[in-house]
Amino acid sequence: EPEVTQTPSHQVTQMGQEVILRCVPISNHLYFYWYRQILGQKVEFLVSFYNNEISEKSEIFDDQFSVERPDGSNFTLKIRSTKLEDSAMYFCASERRDTYEQYFGPGTRLTVT
Amino acid sequence: TQLLEQSPQFLSIQEGENLTVYCNSSSVFSSLQWYRQEPGEGPVLLVTVVTGGEVKKLKRLTFQFGDARKDSSLHITAAQPGDTGLYLCAGVLYDKIIFGKGTRLHILP
Repeated sequence: EPEVTQTPSHQVTQMGQEVILRCVPISNHLYFYWYRQILGQKVEFLVSFYNNEISEKSEIFDDQFSVERPDGSNFTLKIRSTKLEDSAMYFCASERRDTYEQYFGPGTRLTVT
Repeated sequence: TQLLEQSPQFLSIQEGENLTVYCNSSSVFSSLQWYRQEPGEGPVLLVTVVTGGEVKKLKRLTFQFGDARKDSSLHITAAQPGDTGLYLCAGVLYDKIIFGKGTRLHILP
């Protein structure tokens, strides 16, 4: 069964550094999403992406964040100048749209020290 | 700001009992989804309800979407220890999904 994959599973970075989180969505899906979940808190929507452009973004998704689909398979989230409060699980999801069913990846745990 | 309130936050019941978990909002959603999330993993979609008043069944789980498309419920019949976990409701608004904080369910054998 096809699945969303994410790398790395755990990323440790120092405050102020840039990180790139990578996702490979399910191949015939057209909509892609990033979410984050701070430990013990709810899953928060960051951004949705369709047809090579941002479709919607939340208040959290400010200029520190950017997304890109550099090729036909990868979907990346870049976080510039990381802060301690960026420490969280980051989930990628993809969706075919006709079923409105999102499939989540296993997440990347980002730890900013 | 759209908010989804889930209740109860925690529920611990004996195996074999029935339970209902609620998801409420003041916002109207185009659809509502229920997920289950295990520790350290991503949410796994259980069901999507789209039409106001819609009822969907998944074995012992029954999901209902409110007539006004602002609320939903999850009913589990004859709960089993394997049902233990975190259940999340999520409202779909165009290309954005708003998650509730979840109900942590513990079924005692």
